[in-house]
Amino acid sequence: AQKVTQAQTEISVVEKEDVTLDCVYETRDTTYYLFWYKQPPSGELVFLIRRNSFDEQNEISGRYSWNFQKSTSSFNFTITASQVVDSAVYFCALSFTGGGNKLTFGTGTQLKVEL
Amino acid sequence: EPEVTQTPSHQVTQMGQEVILRCVPISNHLYFYWYRQILGQKVEFLVSFYNNEISEKSEIFDDQFSVERPDGSNFTLKIRSTKLEDSAMYFCASSLDRVTEAFFGQGTRLTVV
Repeated sequence: AQKVTQAQTEISVVEKEDVTLDCVYETRDTTYYLFWYKQPPSGELVFLIRRNSFDEQNEISGRYSWNFQKSTSSFNFTITASQVVDSAVYFCALSFTGGGNKLTFGTGTQLKVEL
Repeated sequence: EPEVTQTPSHQVTQMGQEVILRCVPISNHLYFYWYRQILGQKVEFLVSFYNNEISEKSEIFDDQFSVERPDGSNFTLKIRSTKLEDSAMYFCASSLDRVTEAFFGQGTRLTVV
């Protein structure tokens, strides 16, 4: 069985602060994908990143960075210099590579960025 | 930029009625999915669809639910005899193939009264 845990239910930061969203996963599969999705107040799910379990290199995309550590089964997401527009619910998700896009989602972290 | 489009954005229905939620996936995508998010809860997989048949479904996807690709562009989710607990946001998604990432639509909020 697969499980994704996002222990932080809600985080509030002041604009320009850095913030890290935690994600811990459980799976018995040896190969799998990890994802992050953003859900802004308008409700849609916006794809942010997919990472293959073989690739433990950290990734940076603008103000976003992801830290994948297989040893601790974590895939954390950091937003640098947060902005009000980053306010959203962020979901971490997992699928095994044979499962295509059958994703197991975490419960999400509500991020509020205030002025 | 191509996107997944869902209609309607919000649907209110009476308990016991049938509803059809519609989706237009990205045009060259071959795999289609429905997910559900009960208000304030996590997103849950319902079903995946490829080559005009269901490739996988979850425990949630019981006989009350069905999916169909009635033509070359639409992908529908039918819920028969709706119940109060079917109230949720329903997301359609599509992917080019089985291994590339899925892109989600903006969701249809279903309210059963």
